[in-house]
Amino acid sequence: QITLKESGPTLVKPTQTLTLTCTFSGFSLSTNGLGVGWLRQPPGKALEWLALIYWDDDERYSPSLNSRLTITKDTSKDQVVLTLTNMDPVDTAAYYCARGSGWRTPDFDYWGQGMLVTVSS
Amino acid sequence: DIQMTQSPSSLSASVGDRVTITCRASQYISSYLNWYRQKPGKAPRLLIYAASSLQSGVPSRFSGSGSGTDFTLTISSLELEDFATYYCQQSVSFPLTFGGGTKVDIK
Repeated sequence: QITLKESGPTLVKPTQTLTLTCTFSGFSLSTNGLGVGWLRQPPGKALEWLALIYWDDDERYSPSLNSRLTITKDTSKDQVVLTLTNMDPVDTAAYYCARGSGWRTPDFDYWGQGMLVTVSS
Repeated sequence: DIQMTQSPSSLSASVGDRVTITCRASQYISSYLNWYRQKPGKAPRLLIYAASSLQSGVPSRFSGSGSGTDFTLTISSLELEDFATYYCQQSVSFPLTFGGGTKVDIK
């Protein structure tokens, strides 16, 4: 059974750095062709892809947030960590991690439940 | 970036109806198009990948078609659990992009 779960703070202040952890089970991020990505969804709005890291350490980022994002993986712990610096109220959203399959043309076949992160002073 | 445009943005339908949602890419994406269903307060679920392949465990009432720039998701007979929002996503190139969503509600 494949599961993913997001963890981290639910409330951050403007200018702070958000660190989210995705802990997964049922697959290994050392498997060729797999990746884990982060996506978000502001309340009432559409999905937005943020970042993805592959089994071979290839990292991809949304250009609009590239300078603020970092994604890392710890294969031994089955975890992927996302950091987003300089948080702003517009970054308030549900944040999801998801497994990317399909090599370099990924779909997201398994998702975490998501967590709402609110940015407010 | 490749822009994904869905239509309609919302529709009303009844249980048993046949529903069709379209997605248009701003440039050629071959068959690198995926469809998701999202129920309120829940994570999205992958329905269709590679434009027309049914994800494991997804009911056969869902089907996808198209290639190039124009794609369609069809629900052959709407069930209660299908009242939700649907998103398309292109995976041909980074950044990965989603359509704006189509909300299907009860007529």
